[in-house]
Amino acid sequence: DAKTTQPNSMESNEEEPVHLPCNHSTISGTDYIHWYRQLPSQGPEYVIHGLTSNVNNRMASLAIAEDRKSSTLILHRATLRDAAVYYCILRANTGNQFYFGTGTSLTVIP
Amino acid sequence: GAVVSQHPSWVICKSGTSVKIECRSLDFQATTMFWYRQFPKQSLMLMATSNEGSKATYEQGVEKDKFLINHASLTLSTLTVTSAHPEDSSFYICSALRDSFMNTEAFFGQGTRLTVV
Repeated sequence: DAKTTQPNSMESNEEEPVHLPCNHSTISGTDYIHWYRQLPSQGPEYVIHGLTSNVNNRMASLAIAEDRKSSTLILHRATLRDAAVYYCILRANTGNQFYFGTGTSLTVIP
Repeated sequence: GAVVSQHPSWVICKSGTSVKIECRSLDFQATTMFWYRQFPKQSLMLMATSNEGSKATYEQGVEKDKFLINHASLTLSTLTVTSAHPEDSSFYICSALRDSFMNTEAFFGQGTRLTVV
């Protein structure tokens, strides 16, 4: 399974933008980049995903490097409800398994 | 987003008994579901891939005779922890794969907290 590397933890002030990085240097050409987040004692929640182009949705933006070896999840204005563990996951086009790495624990400071 | 429901949300059982956890996709059909286990302060560990109408595929190191998976319909997969022991106490999470044209997404259940005493 393709590996991702994320910082263990990050902090952000409330209502400021947050950039969560993810390195995936061994990504293959057909791997999709998915982001999920998990609040305590809950199942993961879908945030965003992409393949090559940058993506935007109501929750966040995903910026994918041109060589696809890294990506950044952007929360435009962090709120206290965004405090969670954020997982960057590579999904192979075949098999469809989602293998979770260690994730980044985001703390939002009021 | 799509809804995946797990039942029960939590369960306490005695050592040596079996526990069944259900995972349902409520508003879409899922030919593929996944089962994860998560220990405190750790990430999710994939246990097995469940395909409707066929045998589950287990990840390396996961005992298939201990963790029985049945995916009998397109909306239901079950995980049975047989002869549970305290070390099986964990947070079990399922996810269901929704395939649409040019898009595949996984939706997760809310998890089941299993405590074996």
